[in-house]
Amino acid sequence: GQQVMQIPQYQHVQEGEDFTTYCNSSTTLSNIQWYKQRPGGHPVFLIQLVKSGEVKKQKRLTFQFGEAKKNSSLHITATQTTDVGTYFCAGLRTNFGNEKLTFGTGTRLTIIP
Amino acid sequence: EPEVTQTPSHQVTQMGQEVILRCVPISNHLYFYWYRQILGQKVEFLVSFYNNEISEKSEIFDDQFSVERPDGSNFTLKIRSTKLEDSAMYFCASSAGPRVQPQHFGDGTRLSIL
Repeated sequence: GQQVMQIPQYQHVQEGEDFTTYCNSSTTLSNIQWYKQRPGGHPVFLIQLVKSGEVKKQKRLTFQFGEAKKNSSLHITATQTTDVGTYFCAGLRTNFGNEKLTFGTGTRLTIIP
Repeated sequence: EPEVTQTPSHQVTQMGQEVILRCVPISNHLYFYWYRQILGQKVEFLVSFYNNEISEKSEIFDDQFSVERPDGSNFTLKIRSTKLEDSAMYFCASSAGPRVQPQHFGDGTRLSIL
C-alpha cells in the first residue's frame, strides 16, 4: 500500500534557527497537504500543494512540492516557540475517486528557548 | 469560525463492549472522515463518507467498525466489540468538497479500552 515517510522523526532546534522536514511518498500524488498538530491537540490544516514544482509561502513557512509529485518539504525560517508541534504531510493519490488522505509519519519539532 | 465537535472527549470501556463515538461536522460540509492516532504515532485513515455511504475505507476498518449519519448533523463511529488495541485517539474530520479541499478536524475522542 501507499506509504508516506517523513524525516527527521524528531528535531530539536534553538529558537531562531531554521527547521526543515522532508516528506516522501512511495506513489505519485495528485496533491499534498500539510498539517500541524500541537501537543495534545488535533491536526490543523496549513496548506495544500497541487502542481508539480509548486512553492508556497506563509510568513516564515515555505512549502515545496517536488517535480515528480512524490516528495515535499516544509521549511520554517527563524523558529519561534509557537512553532512547537508535530508537522504531518498528507497525500492524496492520483486515481480519481480515491478519498484516502495518507498521513506521513510526522516530524516532531521542539524549540529550545 | 465553525468547528467540528466530538463527544465524548474521553471514553473508557471494557474490552468486548460496544462503543459509539459521536461527531458533529461543520454544517455545510459534505464529506466526513474518521481517523485514529495511537499515542505518539501518525494519524491513520479509517473511513470516508459521502452522500450517505462509505466512499473509501482502510484495512483497519474491518467488520467491527461501522459509521452512520443518523440525522442531518451527527456522524458516528461504532466499534462493535472493542479490543485492547483499539485504544487510541479518534478524530473526526469534515471537508466542503473532495480531494483538494482541506479537512477540518475535531478535538478527538480518547478511547481507552481496559
